[in-house]
Amino acid sequence: VYLLESGGGLVQPGGSLRLSCAASGFTFSSYAMTWVRQAPGKGLEWLSGITATGSGTYYADSLKGRFTISRDNSKSTLYLQMDSLSAEDTALYYCAKNPANNWDGWLDPWGQGTLVTVSS
Amino acid sequence: EIVLTQSPGTLSLSPGERATLSCRTSQSVRNNYLAWYQQKPGQAPRLLMYDASSRATGIPDRFSGSGSGTDFTLTISRLEPEDFAVYYCQQYGSIVLTFGGGTKVEIK
Repeated sequence: VYLLESGGGLVQPGGSLRLSCAASGFTFSSYAMTWVRQAPGKGLEWLSGITATGSGTYYADSLKGRFTISRDNSKSTLYLQMDSLSAEDTALYYCAKNPANNWDGWLDPWGQGTLVTVSS
Repeated sequence: EIVLTQSPGTLSLSPGERATLSCRTSQSVRNNYLAWYQQKPGQAPRLLMYDASSRATGIPDRFSGSGSGTDFTLTISRLEPEDFAVYYCQQYGSIVLTFGGGTKVEIK
């Protein structure tokens, strides 16, 4: 099982970014997936989960509708569209695999993360 | 949302000693749906325990989890040099998943 995030980088405040997570080594379409972030020197923050089919999406209240999770099962890829970014969104963004097709559960494994820096 | 409070913030111990990490939740966790992760510097978190007391694949038996309701514990029976890291608990019993703030286990 392997997860590889991409799409991070430097973005200006108010800007947008789309992160990708390419999965391999398992039947991607059978498992829910999750995004988690970690600000520099801080703890883990759950952001969003999506069911295996993509029919159900769940978000942390703190995101206030700015982020959108999606997936393309034909490409075994998970996405996170991030809009209206601010400095507080600067973090390492991880994708992780859920244990079943529901959005909840433990997370295993995790990708290595992609760094998003919001700065002018 | 369920708030998870981990204590202590930092635990200073020597190799071979026993480590006891606490995770308390603001509400009872449905079905004791609680996981523990280990994170080392520059690495992604690694799953240690799930469902409060089930060890993940490949995790040594010196790691054990216990607890129920709002009070959970991760115990490392005898610390090995590779166990010095930050540990997080996570609940998945509610729609919004949440993590604790972490406990750093450092070498004394």
